[in-house]
Amino acid sequence: DAKTTQPPSMDCAEGRAANLPCNHSTISGNEYVYWYRQIHSQGPQYIIHGLKNNETNEMASLIITEDRKSSTLILPHATLRDTAVYYCIVRLSSGNTPLVFGKGTRLSVIA
Amino acid sequence: DTAVSQTPKYLVTQMGNDKSIKCEQNLGHDTMYWYKQDSKKFLKIMFSYNNKELIINETVPNRFSPKSPDKAHLNLHINSLELGDSAVYFCASSLRGTGVNYGYTFGSGTRLTVV
Repeated sequence: DAKTTQPPSMDCAEGRAANLPCNHSTISGNEYVYWYRQIHSQGPQYIIHGLKNNETNEMASLIITEDRKSSTLILPHATLRDTAVYYCIVRLSSGNTPLVFGKGTRLSVIA
Repeated sequence: DTAVSQTPKYLVTQMGNDKSIKCEQNLGHDTMYWYKQDSKKFLKIMFSYNNKELIINETVPNRFSPKSPDKAHLNLHINSLELGDSAVYFCASSLRGTGVNYGYTFGSGTRLTVV
């Protein structure tokens, strides 16, 4: 079972920042937060991951609260092509534990 | 192009048939996976292989048999297909390296329809 809670859907205006929240109140000290997205009919795509520090890459920023019980994925300037289902996943940093997908958040970017 | 490639992209077959889906990755990854996405869009792990060794085998009917001839290939054979097997099957790969889990790269999926 997924260890995260996400809103089922969100809307965002094109060009604005999309802030996608995720609760993971039972996260343990050696578990990372991963974000993936799935654009319609495509395979899931890795976005970013982090342990406790905020992370940024060319796709997005990840803000993790100090107590690590929640995080926010930020798409700084959302485009129509960012419309997708976004999955927040908590996973051990090593070992055989696979990615376990929950229901995710369906983000609709609106022109 | 470096990628995870699956074939075929679409597969329509009759109940009771046996079919295979092939997956290849040229990313130099050492771990490969099969996921199933049903009509409700839930993605579930089925199998995982690390360096040709089966390391994850979720509760999947034994009609499903993965085969990994080398660490760049992971095929999925399905016997006696049933209507409920209709789904999109995704192959993925990752690099476990010295034990640290890196991100997965997914293929574009195989849409299996059993009629």
